Amino acid sequence: QQQVKQSPQSLIVQKGGISIINCAYENTAFDYFPWYQQFPGKGPALLIAIRPDVSEKKEGRFTISFNKSAKQFSLHIMDSQPGDSATYFCAASTGGNTPLVFGKGTRLSVIA
Amino acid sequence: KAGVTQTPRYLIKTRGQQVTLSCSPISGHRSVSWYQQTPGQGLQFLFEYFSETQRNKGNFPGRFSGRQFSNSRSEMNVSTLELGDSALYLCASSLGATLNTEAFFGQGTRLTVV
Repeated sequence: QQQVKQSPQSLIVQKGGISIINCAYENTAFDYFPWYQQFPGKGPALLIAIRPDVSEKKEGRFTISFNKSAKQFSLHIMDSQPGDSATYFCAASTGGNTPLVFGKGTRLSVIA
Repeated sequence: KAGVTQTPRYLIKTRGQQVTLSCSPISGHRSVSWYQQTPGQGLQFLFEYFSETQRNKGNFPGRFSGRQFSNSRSEMNVSTLELGDSALYLCASSLGATLNTEAFFGQGTRLTVV
């Protein structure tokens, strides 16, 4: 049973465009929602994370939008660059000592 | 500050053998989690250790086991290897007493079972 559904599986965006990746969850106990970026041959690296008490969080070109009522959150990459080409994973966890549950990933390709 | 170090980076094993993977967390981090990453299933949680105690366990068979030492270094062991165990095994460490804090991943160990 997949607890975090991520879409799309793959995404091609023109350089300078906006990349949008969406995730949906069912477990209303989730209260921590990070996004990870993974380059080939590397482990995932934390990009940005949000908690449900805010609807948006921005760090540089990366923004998380969070919709608690819809149980959805999304990653927006503004002014996408070829260097952003990677696989992106959303994740979620409940409070305390529970492990992260990951979406299946989105392979982003930014083309010039 | 050194990151999470996983050794070895690559391994090739034969079906039926066993394997041990190692993870050295970031200095000061006491929680170590292990994940299996495959193209079909994505990142799946194996287990997590905190202060030498297994605190969480995922839905993997008993062939997968782990431990943590007093210096927070962790090992995972897979016995009686199967072809389906071929994957990238990732270790993540975090600072706090809860998992709900920033987790840093190592580069992983690529295990191939032939």
